[in-house]
Amino acid sequence: EIVLTQSPGTLSLSPGERATLSCRASQSVSSSYLAWYQQKPGQAPRLLIYGASNRATGTPDRFSGSGSGTDFTLTISRLEPEDFAVYYCQQYGSSPRTFGQGTKVEIK
Amino acid sequence: QVQLQQSGPGLVKPSQTLSLTCAISGDSVSSNSAAWNWIRQSPSRGLEWLGRTYFKSKWYNDYAVSVKSRLTIKPDTSKNQFSLQLNSVTPEDTAVYYCAREDIWNDGAYGFDNWGQGTMVTVSS
Repeated sequence: EIVLTQSPGTLSLSPGERATLSCRASQSVSSSYLAWYQQKPGQAPRLLIYGASNRATGTPDRFSGSGSGTDFTLTISRLEPEDFAVYYCQQYGSSPRTFGQGTKVEIK
Repeated sequence: QVQLQQSGPGLVKPSQTLSLTCAISGDSVSSNSAAWNWIRQSPSRGLEWLGRTYFKSKWYNDYAVSVKSRLTIKPDTSKNQFSLQLNSVTPEDTAVYYCAREDIWNDGAYGFDNWGQGTMVTVSS
């Protein structure tokens, strides 16, 4: 099973600032099958990025993903008020699919 | 526009069976381009993938080892839905349960692009 470790646990930033979230895998993620999700309280997760760097339909271009192998990054170039939420990475290249523990982006 | 609508009880007694259904609109449970997943979320375990069913010339299932002996995920082509049955539940199975569509078009994989609304299930007597 691939274990995903996200850092930091919490990111305290102001609107307009840049956010950089990390996801490290315990072994290489097959075909860069790494996704990022955003979750707000009381809602289901929403797919933002798939294939490590591809924006899902409806994802604003201030969100970008990068990385390969075991190290992946989600960057939010300029935080908007609606971006404060919890973000999860997920690998779906092997079974079982696994998720990271999440990074909370909170308003400073 | 794919929509997933979950239904099922919010309270289950210990040792009994947890049953949930996910009704699909805008796609087909028999599609060759989608896999149909169940995931749960709890404060202690975070997001935990449970398993999936999908059709690629025949039906396949794929389960997490942690629940494999207790879990059944079944498609229902007549109603265009799929279900989860988790046997012998304990309080540790208390969680929000989600169904989700995984895009597997053309033998690729593109993440979980549609999710149900979630069902809070409590295991308690």
